[in-house]
Amino acid sequence: KAGVTQTPRYLIKTRGQQVTLSCSPISGHRSVSWYQQTPGQGLQFLFEYFSETQRNKGNFPGRFSGRQFSNSRSEMNVSTLELGDSALYLCASSPYNDYEQYFGPGTRLTVT
Amino acid sequence: QKEVEQNSGPLSVPEGAIASLNCTYSDRGSQSFFWYRQYSGKSPELIMSIYSNGDKEDGRFTAQLNKASQYVSLLIRDSQPSDSATYLCAVTGGYSTLTFGKGTMLLVSP
Repeated sequence: KAGVTQTPRYLIKTRGQQVTLSCSPISGHRSVSWYQQTPGQGLQFLFEYFSETQRNKGNFPGRFSGRQFSNSRSEMNVSTLELGDSALYLCASSPYNDYEQYFGPGTRLTVT
Repeated sequence: QKEVEQNSGPLSVPEGAIASLNCTYSDRGSQSFFWYRQYSGKSPELIMSIYSNGDKEDGRFTAQLNKASQYVSLLIRDSQPSDSATYLCAVTGGYSTLTFGKGTMLLVSP
C-alpha cells in the first residue's frame, strides 16, 4: 500500500504571499491531520478532517485553513505568510479515531 | 491545555545496551499512546502504539503504559547505532488529534 504523499516537498515564499500544500492519505484512510514542526515549538496540531468535515482545530490564527475532498485528499492554505511560518508541515492519515497515524514526508516551507 | 513531557536528552547508551525513554502526560482522558522515531531531516515514523495498561512488545521494542501514573515508556533492547534518532511520545484523547512531547534524542555509540 502506498504511503502518505505530500506535495510540494520544498517551497520558498516571500512574506505576504500565500501558499497551498497538498496531501494524499493512505488508500482507505478517511482522517487527515496536519501538523507544524519547528525547532522551538516541536510538533503542533493544526487541524483534522474526516469525511470532508473539520472536526478539530489547533491554536493557530485564521490565516491557516484547510479542506478535504471527497477522495480524502486534503489541502492546507496559509495566507499572508510571515517569517515565523517557516516550518516543516506534516500531514498524517489514519483509518479510525484515536488510532495510529502515519506521516507523509512533509513540506519544508521557507518564508523570506 | 494538554501536555506531554519528555526529557530532551541526549540519552547516550553504548551499542547493545537497553535504552529507556520516558514520557508523562497531563490529560487523564487520553486514550491512545504512541511512540514515533524521527531521524534528522525526516518525518516521524510510527514504531509503537499502546492502548491499555501494561506492556506491549514488538521485536526489540517494548512500550509500557501506566494510566494511573499518567506515564508511558519505551524500552529499546540491544540498541544499535541505527537507533540514534529523536523519539517522540504522542497521546490522543479524541478524534485524531495527537499531542506530542518535544522528543528525546537518543545517541547509541558503537
